[in-house]
Amino acid sequence: IAGITQAPTSQILAAGRRMTLRCTQDMRHNAMYWYRQDLGLGLRLIHYSNTAGTTGKGEVPDGYSVSRANTDDFPLTLASAVPSQTSVYFCASSTQGGTGELFFGEGSRLTVL
Amino acid sequence: GQNIDQPTEMTATEGAIVQINCTYQTSGFNGLFWYQQHAGEAPTFLSYNVLDGLEEKGRFSSFLSRSKGYSYLLLKELQMKDSASYLCAVRDSNYQLIWGAGTKLIIKP
Repeated sequence: IAGITQAPTSQILAAGRRMTLRCTQDMRHNAMYWYRQDLGLGLRLIHYSNTAGTTGKGEVPDGYSVSRANTDDFPLTLASAVPSQTSVYFCASSTQGGTGELFFGEGSRLTVL
Repeated sequence: GQNIDQPTEMTATEGAIVQINCTYQTSGFNGLFWYQQHAGEAPTFLSYNVLDGLEEKGRFSSFLSRSKGYSYLLLKELQMKDSASYLCAVRDSNYQLIWGAGTKLIIKP
């Protein structure tokens, strides 16, 4: 089934540890995004990539890094996790034509202790 | 600054009609989206408006007035499965999406 796959779906880790959230899409979408969703707040963009080989910073990029080596994969890395990074993380992709609607992965729930 | 305002929570009765409002102030406008998000799940696309007026899609309709910075999502013949959060998002002049915090819709029998 075409779509976006995120891994892991849930993770608890100690503060200071390094963590990579994986995201893979098979829709051949050029654009990909990482959002975090916290209670009472709208989705906030962390990083994005308009095409393979390019990335950009979103609204809340500090403490996170991304890479886009190919069209399908867009991993998000927390170099040294802190408790404020406890959140639900969504990866999304979109075409750059038409409405440009986003297609979301199922989310990764991350708890930093 | 840019902001999207929508009610935090609404309650409606099964079989009834509910209107969820969204007002926005953004740097430019390149379309407005509504997404549905069930608890613990990912958002899914519902509708897109870029011109003024009403877009109808089955039981769901979305309205846009660009001059008023206003949109609403209208849900008819409410079903229990419509209990979810509804997210309003505006694409600004840089083609970035600005998201509202979402409206949690509770449907009662």
